[in-house]
Amino acid sequence: DIQMTQSPSSLSASVGDRVTITCRASQSISTYLNWYQQKPGKAPNLLIYAASSLQSGVPSRFSGSGSGTDFTLTISSLQPEDFATYYCQQSYNIPRAFGQGTKVEIK
Amino acid sequence: QVQLVQSGAEVKKPGASVKVSCKVSGYTLTELSMHWVRQAPGKGLEWMGHFDPEDAKAVYAQKFQGRVTLTDDTSTDTVNMELTSLRSEDTAIYYCATEKRDCSHGVCRIIFDYWGQGTLVTVSS
Repeated sequence: DIQMTQSPSSLSASVGDRVTITCRASQSISTYLNWYQQKPGKAPNLLIYAASSLQSGVPSRFSGSGSGTDFTLTISSLQPEDFATYYCQQSYNIPRAFGQGTKVEIK
Repeated sequence: QVQLVQSGAEVKKPGASVKVSCKVSGYTLTELSMHWVRQAPGKGLEWMGHFDPEDAKAVYAQKFQGRVTLTDDTSTDTVNMELTSLRSEDTAIYYCATEKRDCSHGVCRIIFDYWGQGTLVTVSS
């Protein structure tokens, strides 16, 4: 099974900061990588699919990059509504493993 | 527009079983690929299994093999997740989610696009 490892597990940042979260797959997954945002008490919400494609309706301050085993989610200018937990997920094969999550907190 | 409505919260004793249902509306069940994901309190998302209503086949995470069963009831457009031999570590919110797959201009999108509202299962003596 493919394992997904995110880093960091948490970070503190201020409004306006640039934030970067990384995700590593235990084997190559091409660009079959999605990023989800989850807020407390809510189901996850898709931000990025196929490593770098922005889901419709998602603000352009979110971007994704990478291929193979190493991927990055970047928030170019953190907004108050972006404080949440972020998960990567591989869609290369079954099981559809998630990373362990990165909690973005207010500094 | 797909809507997924899950059954209500459950409290179970260790060793018991639980069945969580996920009712689909806005789409025909056999047109959807269904996954189940759980989230323990304060923890991350954990993929449990996949059910394809088109052929009624299920694939399970190795961790849950032998304890989880995914089934469907096409007469009510419902997918069910049953987890047996419950232990305290199974206390979690259980989500159903549909998977969408499409490709355009060389980019393939395989995503969980619709989620149920979640069902809290509490295992406690």
